[in-house]
Amino acid sequence: EDKVVQSPLSLVVHEGDTVTLNCSYEVTNFRSLLWYKQEKKAPTFLFMLTSSGIEKKSGRLSSILDKKELSSILNITATQTGDSAIYLCAVDANNAGNMLTFGGGTRLMVKP
Amino acid sequence: EAQVTQNPRYLITVTGKKLTVTCSQNMNHEYMSWYRQDPGLGLRQIYYSMNVEVTDKGDVPEGYKVSRKEKRNFPLILESPSPNQTSLYFCASSLLAGGSTDTQYFGPGTRLTVL
Repeated sequence: EDKVVQSPLSLVVHEGDTVTLNCSYEVTNFRSLLWYKQEKKAPTFLFMLTSSGIEKKSGRLSSILDKKELSSILNITATQTGDSAIYLCAVDANNAGNMLTFGGGTRLMVKP
Repeated sequence: EAQVTQNPRYLITVTGKKLTVTCSQNMNHEYMSWYRQDPGLGLRQIYYSMNVEVTDKGDVPEGYKVSRKEKRNFPLILESPSPNQTSLYFCASSLLAGGSTDTQYFGPGTRLTVL
């Protein structure tokens, strides 16, 4: 059974801190790993990482895929209160139906 | 504006009373899916549809039905809701089924409470 585990479950930091969120997975036929940010609404897409694109960066956010360790990290530098959200990691395995397996999420709170 | 819409956004109902949550997308996407989100469990897929008249079970299909009579709509039906179906539900769509380059677009969510 495919499995995605995120850590930590929750995290409280102060503005300006740098945070690293972790995602590890066990899936057959890995295809890609996706990061989402969820605030008080539906998750919004952040990054997709594949074998041919193992590092992505957008502003203060960056993500790296380690296919050897079957894991990924999401880094946020110079955090702001607007970064407070649940961050979801999902893995797309090459199975019928385009099913994503989600981790349980990491709840990040950034205090002023 | 490209979007996925869901209705209702909030619903409180009682055990056994049939309900339908609608989902509609205006992007001509082939693939649509329903997820439920519960604390500590992340998003779990209920049902998905690769195209009109093609639906299949996800991870947690028990107690739910879906239909895909037309491309834009993918309603979620709870024939006899139970309290363990209290959850936050998301509908999502993407251009093609099985395409890992496709971003899934999520609806705003429906918070369902079954008493």
